[in-house]
Amino acid sequence: GQNIDQPTEMTATEGAIVQINCTYQTSGFNGLFWYQQHAGEAPTFLSYNVLDGLEEKGRFSSFLSRSKGYSYLLLKELQMKDSASYLCAVRAGGGNKLTFGTGTQLKVEL
Amino acid sequence: DGGITQSPKYLFRKEGQNVTLSCEQNLNHDAMYWYRQDPGQGLRLIYYSQIVNDFQKGDIAEGYSVSREKKESFPLTVTSAQKNPTAFYLCASSVYDRAEGYTFGSGTRLTVV
Repeated sequence: GQNIDQPTEMTATEGAIVQINCTYQTSGFNGLFWYQQHAGEAPTFLSYNVLDGLEEKGRFSSFLSRSKGYSYLLLKELQMKDSASYLCAVRAGGGNKLTFGTGTQLKVEL
Repeated sequence: DGGITQSPKYLFRKEGQNVTLSCEQNLNHDAMYWYRQDPGQGLRLIYYSQIVNDFQKGDIAEGYSVSREKKESFPLTVTSAQKNPTAFYLCASSVYDRAEGYTFGSGTRLTVV
C-alpha cells in the first residue's frame, strides 16, 4: 500500500511565502501531483513532479526528492484567494491511478 | 468546450434506497475514476476504469457498483449496502498512463435523510 503524510492545517500572512510538505512511502513511484481544492469544489491541478528537483510555475513551485520520499509545494506572494486545501497525490505502478493525502488546509490572513 | 460533467450537484437518499450518480466526459479520455471525500479527509478511490467494458475496485468499493458501457460515461450506483454514504463524490478522467493529472468533475454531494 501507500502512505502519504501532510500537515493538517497551516496559517500564513498575505504577501508571505509558505511551504507545504508531503512525505510518502510507496513502491513503483511514477509521479507526484499537487492539487488545490476550495471548499465544496473540485480539486484543480497545480503541479507535477516525476524527476528530482524544482518545478516552477508562476507563484507556485513544487520540489521532489525521490530518495527521501519527500515533496513540497511553495506558494509565494500569498493572496487571500490562496486559502484552500492543498492535496498531495502519488502515482505508482502502471496506469494513472492516484492515491491522495488527506490535504493541508491553508488559511491566509491579513 | 471539453470537460467532465457530474449530476446532480446535490442528492438526497432515503435509507435503503439505491441512487445513481452520473459522470460524463467529452475529453476522449480513456480512464475514469470515482473518489469519495469525507469532511477533513482526502480523496479515497472507489472504482476506476481504464477502458470501456472494464473496471477495477479501488480501496473502498464495498456498497458501490459501476458500469462503463461507453467511453464517455461512468455512472456510480450507491447501493443500500453502503452503510455510510453521506459524502462528496468526485468523478475524474485522464489519458491512460500518461504524465498528466486528472480532470475532475464539479462533484455530487450525497446526503442520507
